[in-house]
Amino acid sequence: EIVMTQSPATLSVSPGGRATLSCRASQSISSNLAWYQQKPDQAPRLLIYDASTRATGIPARFSGSGSGTEFTLTIGSLQSEDFAVYYCQQYNNWPTFGPGTKVEI
Amino acid sequence: QVQLVESGGGLVKPGGSLRLSCVGSGFTLGDYFMSWIRQAPGKGLEWVSYITSSGSSAFYTDSVKGRFTISRDNAKNSLYLQMNSLRAEDGAVYFCARLGPGGTRWFHPWGQGTLVTVSS
Repeated sequence: EIVMTQSPATLSVSPGGRATLSCRASQSISSNLAWYQQKPDQAPRLLIYDASTRATGIPARFSGSGSGTEFTLTIGSLQSEDFAVYYCQQYNNWPTFGPGTKVEI
Repeated sequence: QVQLVESGGGLVKPGGSLRLSCVGSGFTLGDYFMSWIRQAPGKGLEWVSYITSSGSSAFYTDSVKGRFTISRDNAKNSLYLQMNSLRAEDGAVYFCARLGPGGTRWFHPWGQGTLVTVSS
């Protein structure tokens, strides 16, 4: 099983600020990585797939980068609706998720 | 628009069974691989199972192999998860989700989830 880790566990950011979230895979996953946003009592929403491709309808302030074992999700100019938990997920092998990063004010 | 709606969750005793359903709308479910993913209360996400578009092949995470069965009825635009021999640790919100094109194993969209509670 490919183990995904995320850091930090919690990130405090001011509205309008920039957030940088990290995700690491226990072995190389090429670019087979997705990012999801989950708000309380809601289903996750796909933000990014193939490490850097924004899903349909996702604002340009969300960007993904990385390959191999190290990945980053950057949220530029945080809006109030961006405060949520963010999960990375690899699909190079059987799908596994990271534990999440909570972005809070 | 594309939508998935789950149902069938509830309270069940350890060792019991439950069948979850997921109905798709706004797209032809039979054109896509489909999956179940769960989230225990206050915890992270865990992939459970997925099935190919025709239903000819199904895959499971190790902890549910032999106990859960995924199936689909493309004529009804529906996906199912039969859960047997349920354990306390199976208690979670179960989401159905569509896989990416060609069965790429990212998930979009997701249903709103259905809660399964396993307790005596």
